[in-house]
Amino acid sequence: DAGITQSPRHKVTETGTPVTLRCHQTENHRYMYWYRQDPGHGLRLIHYSYGVKDTDKGEVSDGYSVSRSKTEDFLLTLESATSSQTSVYFCAISGSYAGTLGVNEQFFGPGTRLTVL
Amino acid sequence: QKEVEQDPGPLSVPEGAIVSLNCTYSNSAFQYFMWYRQYSRKGPELLMYTYSSGNKEDGRFTAQVDKSSKYISLFIRDSQPSDSATYLCAMKKEGAQKLVFGQGTRLTINP
Repeated sequence: DAGITQSPRHKVTETGTPVTLRCHQTENHRYMYWYRQDPGHGLRLIHYSYGVKDTDKGEVSDGYSVSRSKTEDFLLTLESATSSQTSVYFCAISGSYAGTLGVNEQFFGPGTRLTVL
Repeated sequence: QKEVEQDPGPLSVPEGAIVSLNCTYSNSAFQYFMWYRQYSRKGPELLMYTYSSGNKEDGRFTAQVDKSSKYISLFIRDSQPSDSATYLCAMKKEGAQKLVFGQGTRLTINP
């Protein structure tokens, strides 16, 4: 499982509330990613990080922000959740500072199922 | 038009059959090609990873990339009920961080 955990695993919230999802990794990977998975769309990249405090947008970043203050943690925040953000969110990692894992292979966490009512 | 097209299935075959899963793509800049297996309510698991064109074999799984046709395939030999899952193709450009995924094909292997 590449040492990736996500929390919470399930969450139900109401429209307009802030939500933060956490991705935690234990193997010092350089790159971390947030994807969402929706029927008919497959997986789509929201944001990614290429180091502590270094982040960039993906293809569906509107309404989401991220932060990475430590190598091991990558947070995804929905500032004001909307029903269109109901989805399954996956964190992924790639690359290692030690060079033992390439940057092109991404490994995924178990996912967080988010429902916005 | 999506950059990566994958027949969503569902595909149902008997145990022991050879399974062929395919994706087509439109962007000739893609250089890295992956196949992921995803069981219900689990995260995608990297099965095969290929750079550029050619074949790669790992046990019962073979990945093929034909860049001239913009077509990739995953073959599963001697399919088992435990192979029942959704299979996702993914690809990326050199230097890019984004993986572009197909929709996934839901596969069922019947005992």
